[in-house]
Amino acid sequence: QKEVEQNSGPLSVPEGAIASLNCTYSDRGSQSFFWYRQYSGKSPELIMSIYSNGDKEDGRFTAQLNKASQYVSLLIRDSQPSDSATYLCAVEPGDSSYKLIFGSGTRLLVRP
Amino acid sequence: EAGVTQFPSHSVIEKGQTVTLRCDPISGHDNLYWYRRVMGKEIKFLLHFVKESKQDESGMPNNRFLAERTGGTYSTLKVQPAELEDSGVYFCASSQVNYEQYFGPGTRLTVT
Repeated sequence: QKEVEQNSGPLSVPEGAIASLNCTYSDRGSQSFFWYRQYSGKSPELIMSIYSNGDKEDGRFTAQLNKASQYVSLLIRDSQPSDSATYLCAVEPGDSSYKLIFGSGTRLLVRP
Repeated sequence: EAGVTQFPSHSVIEKGQTVTLRCDPISGHDNLYWYRRVMGKEIKFLLHFVKESKQDESGMPNNRFLAERTGGTYSTLKVQPAELEDSGVYFCASSQVNYEQYFGPGTRLTVT
């Protein structure tokens, strides 16, 4: 079992729709969770961080965390073609280190 | 504010040669991380510096890899001698406190 799991996709949504990206993790002690966006050939770009259960909103992005279910998600409202990218879920393990454990990423395609 | 920078952007070397990658973190960021993505795999942690000290080097694959951060500013990652399996994209990230990490553009290493 991978430490951080994501559906590789592609997830295809029409422009203006809500895109829902999901991630599960295996380390129950994990405390910090991050979503990165990566365009092809570019570096990962931090778009959201979440540390406590519940929802965190920033513009069109909402991160949701459920530690009991070991599940974190990212919602993108009013999806735009420019949102087409690979979305990486990253988790900081609960072993007092600060390294990030990455999932393999979900490719999102927003159709005009 | 300048982001994380990495040099070179691309390096092609022959098996057995030596390559040195450089990372300049965001000014004022004490924490510096190295990660690697090999073809088809997730981004994997290599090591973490706090200022000039190695905080966690649990991800370093073997003793052919040597990372330094003299003076607590920029860091270098040397691979000597390079093997075919070392090919991939090497990312550097930095953070001001041990939370949100910001990534550089990466160095694509090709070992032939």
